[in-house]
Amino acid sequence: QKEVEQDPGPLSVPEGAIVSLNCTYSNSAFQYFMWYRQYSRKGPELLMYTYSSGNKEDGRFTAQVDKSSKYISLFIRDSQPSDSATYLCAMSLSFSGGYNKLIFGAGTRLAVHP
Amino acid sequence: EAQVTQNPRYLITVTGKKLTVTCSQNMNHEYMSWYRQDPGLGLRQIYYSMNVEVTDKGDVPEGYKVSRKEKRNFPLILESPSPNQTSLYFCASRGRTDTQYFGPGTRLTVL
Repeated sequence: QKEVEQDPGPLSVPEGAIVSLNCTYSNSAFQYFMWYRQYSRKGPELLMYTYSSGNKEDGRFTAQVDKSSKYISLFIRDSQPSDSATYLCAMSLSFSGGYNKLIFGAGTRLAVHP
Repeated sequence: EAQVTQNPRYLITVTGKKLTVTCSQNMNHEYMSWYRQDPGLGLRQIYYSMNVEVTDKGDVPEGYKVSRKEKRNFPLILESPSPNQTSLYFCASRGRTDTQYFGPGTRLTVL
């Protein structure tokens, strides 16, 4: 079983729809939870970063963490064609010496059509 | 502009021919990593470095080498590439926070 599970999609939605992207994880030692967005032929870029259970909002994006269920979500409101990308969840694991390792999900490909 | 650069962006080579992919960051970051990205498998860490002359294996280190002689540079070396190393490679750097900055990627094909 992978430490982080993410449905690869693809997910196709009309412009203006609410998008829900999800990841589950098995390691309760994960401390930080992130969402990266990756456009075609580009490197991933950090979109959202959260530490505790609950919601964090940034414009049209909301990140949700439920540590008791080991489940994280990213919601995109009023989706736009420019949101078409692959979204990767990532989780941080701390090691001695101050090193934090990121474990990534496989990524969900999202297409928002006009 | 803060950035991570990689070269080359695209490379086609043959089995057994040594190659190096360069990576450089201009943010004075201590932590640098190499990942490979394969369909359905996501990003998997190959090697990482916590500082100059300090490197360690990630999850898939076999067939790769790295070095960290200067803080800004972290080259990835494939001594004898094989077809199963055909992949999309990303270099990344991070400061003291968890915000990781990725390079633009190197698409490698080994024939």
